[in-house]
Amino acid sequence: DTGVSQDPRHKITKRGQNVTFRCDPISEHNRLYWYRQTLGQGPEFLTYFQNEAQLEKSRLLSDRFSAERPKGSFSTLEIQRTEQGDSAMYLCASRPTGSSYEQYFGPGTRLTVT
Amino acid sequence: AQKVTQAQTEISVVEKEDVTLDCVYETRDTTYYLFWYKQPPSGELVFLIRRNSFDEQNEISGRYSWNFQKSTSSFNFTITASQVVDSAVYFCALSEGSGTYKYIFGTGTRLKVLA
Repeated sequence: DTGVSQDPRHKITKRGQNVTFRCDPISEHNRLYWYRQTLGQGPEFLTYFQNEAQLEKSRLLSDRFSAERPKGSFSTLEIQRTEQGDSAMYLCASRPTGSSYEQYFGPGTRLTVT
Repeated sequence: AQKVTQAQTEISVVEKEDVTLDCVYETRDTTYYLFWYKQPPSGELVFLIRRNSFDEQNEISGRYSWNFQKSTSSFNFTITASQVVDSAVYFCALSEGSGTYKYIFGTGTRLKVLA
């Protein structure tokens, strides 16, 4: 039983470049979440998918950010025209349908914008 | 609005000491869930426990125990006889009882267990 995987684990990019991260949830989980964690803080919710539908986006998700989950399987998070303030750990989590379940987190993608 | 407060930024204890990590939450929902996660230096969040708002029973799992008190909106976590491997950042989180079940996290408590 594989857990949530994320790729890449680390990404260093120059300001102004575009980056894309991938998340593969646990196979039977239809709910998928993206969070962002900056140094010394708890993770903050970015967006939520139920199957392929993106049902909620945080106001933290500026128009430079876009997320997709084609076919309700893996998900991608793209950041366009990166800024130094985008430097953070981007975490993906998944869970099954139903109320009494916890989220399972991937190892995260650490983004550094220089 | 929902909020989770972990007032202890960092705690240092000597191995074998007991330690309690505090978590206070705010929500207007009558149905909600509370969670604790551990984040070791590797960075991956590891699930420890889930509690729903209707279940105030305390829980013990090995050296870990949790005290949920709705009257004080607290969900505290105690590690008994701490070990060096317990060193990590611990997060308390709250989710609504319906809808997206997204988490609101506290800022975390860094626990250092010294040998």
